[in-house]
Amino acid sequence: GAGVSQSPRYKVAKRGQDVALRCDPISGHVSLFWYQQALGQGPEFLTYFQNEAQLDKSGLPSDRFFAERPEGSVSTLKIQRTQQEDSAVYLCASSLPGTTYEQYFGPGTRLTVT
Amino acid sequence: RKEVEQDPGPFNVPEGATVAFNCTYSNSASQSFFWYRQDCRKEPKLLMSVYSSGNEDGRFTAQLNRASQYISLLIRDSKLSDSATYLCVVNRAGSARQLTFGSGTQLTVLP
Repeated sequence: GAGVSQSPRYKVAKRGQDVALRCDPISGHVSLFWYQQALGQGPEFLTYFQNEAQLDKSGLPSDRFFAERPEGSVSTLKIQRTQQEDSAVYLCASSLPGTTYEQYFGPGTRLTVT
Repeated sequence: RKEVEQDPGPFNVPEGATVAFNCTYSNSASQSFFWYRQDCRKEPKLLMSVYSSGNEDGRFTAQLNRASQYISLLIRDSKLSDSATYLCVVNRAGSARQLTFGSGTQLTVLP
């Protein structure tokens, strides 16, 4: 069956450019999470949606980061005016409703800001 | 202090060895605990949940000590395919569904 998909898989941006990263969660998964993973570190929470509602955005590192999920399925993470410190792998995860905490991760988008 | 701390390793062990990883967490209110596995340049995948009574899944055994805020993972009879980074994960403080990941412990099983 289809898992979580993300696009693009790789993105190179010049400093100052805006980027948009897409996540297609598993069908029927109402919860969607974005994480940022720097080299040699574990994933760091960015934001969480339940359906179209963004319930927690406390992990977004600055106001240059914005996420949306307007129809409760596909989500987009946008980074404006990218900086070198934004270089990382951006992971999307989804999970079923209910009490399960198992999150299914997509392959990630590797962003390099030059 | 980080919310979840792990020994980064690397652990290099021969095939067939038993290896143990440890993890500590800072928030005593955390209720849910997991080990995830992440292969090189791949996404994390759930290995197993960790229950208060301890639990086993084949060659893998997970233990939780709430009093010490300590979680462990034991791998017996290690295989080459066990080579990966093992991430200790707890639910975020004040949140039922959001997860905090440790930095991971790197394991290489040698032939």
